[in-house]
Amino acid sequence: GQNIDQPTEMTATEGAIVQINCTYQTSGFNGLFWYQQHAGEAPTFLSYNVLDGLEEKGRFSSFLSRSKGYSYLLLKELQMKDSASYLCAVRARGGFKTIFGAGTRLFVKA
Amino acid sequence: NAGVTQTPKFRILKIGQSMTLQCAQDMNHNYMYWYRQDPGMGLKLIYYSVGAGITDKGEVPNGYNVSRSTTEDFPLRLELAAPSQTSVYFCASSLTDEKLFFGSGTQLSVL
Repeated sequence: GQNIDQPTEMTATEGAIVQINCTYQTSGFNGLFWYQQHAGEAPTFLSYNVLDGLEEKGRFSSFLSRSKGYSYLLLKELQMKDSASYLCAVRARGGFKTIFGAGTRLFVKA
Repeated sequence: NAGVTQTPKFRILKIGQSMTLQCAQDMNHNYMYWYRQDPGMGLKLIYYSVGAGITDKGEVPNGYNVSRSTTEDFPLRLELAAPSQTSVYFCASSLTDEKLFFGSGTQLSVL
């Protein structure tokens, strides 16, 4: 089976840096995704990690440690529009299913 | 390119009614998925398909059926709707094991 854990809610200040953690347990592993979802909208893709290490993409970075079953999403220079839910998702090895965690709701305050 | 198109956007059903949620993609993606999202929760996989004629169950398939007669279309059928099926339904597609592209969702209420 698969289990994905991430914090339910986080609050941060505009202009700051926030790290959203995700831990997972899977019967196999073929990659980890981060998606952003604004209220009332569909999720949109942010990042995809297959190998260990840090992937940087503008203000957003994602880190993966396969041996620890751990990932984080780092958001820099927070903006009010970054207030959203951030979904960690895992694709199991040998399968085609992408399984999502419950998501972390991020509130950015002025 | 329209991407992934879902219809309808909203629907209210009575208990015991049936309906089909439509999903179509024009990106020639082989993989298609149906998820449901309950308020404040993540997405739960209902069914998925890796190509025309091939479907498989996800995490929460009970009460639903799917078919995949073409690459473009992946309808989700609800038989005998129940209040527990009140949710937002998202269809998604992907090219092999890459990122998912989502439709705009269908908000379904069963009363």
